[in-house]
Amino acid sequence: DTGVSQDPRHKITKRGQNVTFRCDPISEHNRLYWYRQTLGQGPEFLTYFQNEAQLEKSRLLSDRFSAERPKGSFSTLEIQRTEQGDSAMYLCASSGQGIHEQYFGPGTRLTVT
Amino acid sequence: GQNIDQPTEMTATEGAIVQINCTYQTSGFNGLFWYQQHAGEAPTFLSYNVLDGLEEKGRFSSFLSRSKGYSYLLLKELQMKDSASYLCAVLNAGNNRKLIWGLGTSLAVNP
Repeated sequence: DTGVSQDPRHKITKRGQNVTFRCDPISEHNRLYWYRQTLGQGPEFLTYFQNEAQLEKSRLLSDRFSAERPKGSFSTLEIQRTEQGDSAMYLCASSGQGIHEQYFGPGTRLTVT
Repeated sequence: GQNIDQPTEMTATEGAIVQINCTYQTSGFNGLFWYQQHAGEAPTFLSYNVLDGLEEKGRFSSFLSRSKGYSYLLLKELQMKDSASYLCAVLNAGNNRKLIWGLGTSLAVNP
């Protein structure tokens, strides 16, 4: 197991387009988190899954953002009608039962032009 | 409200010791983490404290005082590769296991 993976690593898109990111957590981890991080800031919580159930979604997240984890394994994060303010690093993390620490993937850097 | 404070920037010299402080005020507490993040990379787990006291792991140690809402990360025998951002995060109580993050401390290690 090589850890949490994310795809793509970089995405450049034009304003108004839709984008979708994928995260593959560590295989035995049942919890999966999405964060957004901009330069000089700590990660900002977006949403959390336990298995396939989305248990919490940040109130900061607009309706343009949606996340799924259909089989309790990989997850996707979709941003519709992207705006320049969506430019950020999107981080995925996972943790397992009885494991406190969250392990992060390499992130997807989104640039909206 | 929930608040985590840590210094924005610190500088230190190669071979020296540096202490990065973190104070927190959160509605629940289920442990405190320190992560290291190099520029353009994802955070990497360093330490987890849930009980008061010092946890030592090689050149890095982390201390927690729950009554004071205070933690520090101690880095010994600094190396140039330790130049990075160090993030303090509190694990929220409850079932969501959500991390509440500080803004990070950017550490520059000079030769």
